Amino acid sequence: ELKVEQNPLFLSMQEGKNYTIYCNYSTTSDRLYWYRQDPGKSLESLFVLLSNGAVKQEGRLMASLDTKARLSTLHITAAVHDLSATYFCAVDADKLIFGTGTRLQVFP
Amino acid sequence: EAQVTQNPRYLITVTGKKLTVTCSQNMNHEYMSWYRQDPGLGLRQIYYSMNVEVTDKGDVPEGYKVSRKEKRNFPLILESPSPNQTSLYFCASSLYPPFSSGANVLTFGAGSRLTVL
Repeated sequence: ELKVEQNPLFLSMQEGKNYTIYCNYSTTSDRLYWYRQDPGKSLESLFVLLSNGAVKQEGRLMASLDTKARLSTLHITAAVHDLSATYFCAVDADKLIFGTGTRLQVFP
Repeated sequence: EAQVTQNPRYLITVTGKKLTVTCSQNMNHEYMSWYRQDPGLGLRQIYYSMNVEVTDKGDVPEGYKVSRKEKRNFPLILESPSPNQTSLYFCASSLYPPFSSGANVLTFGAGSRLTVL
């Protein structure tokens, strides 16, 4: 059974700091998606990673995929309040399985 | 505007009273899916549809029904709702299924918050 684990589940960080969210999965896959959910809102696509070593960047967020380690990371650089949201990874391995989400709060 | 529209957005009902949550997309997407979101459990798939008249169970299908009579619509039916179906529901669609080749990003509806008393 495919399992997708995100760490941490909750992250409170100060503006200007850097941090990384981890997404581990239990089976072979070379496709992974990151979504963002603002409080009370729907999910929006952030990144699509389609191969081993894929790296995508958008503003202060950078996502990478290591299929051999079955690991994706979402790195936050110099966090700002607008990044406060819940972030989900979703692994595509014959079926799409979402992680439990990481709730990020950025404070001044 | 390309979008997935769900209705109702909020609903409070009582145990056993049948209800339908509608979902419509205007992007000519082949694939549609329903998820429920519960605290600490992420998103879990209820049902999905690869195309018109083709539906299949996801991970948590018990207590739900769906139909896909038209490409654009994918209603979720709760024949006899129970309190454990209190949740936030999302409909999503993509041009092709997530597990086909290429990047098949899901477009999500705004969500429907259901409370069953």
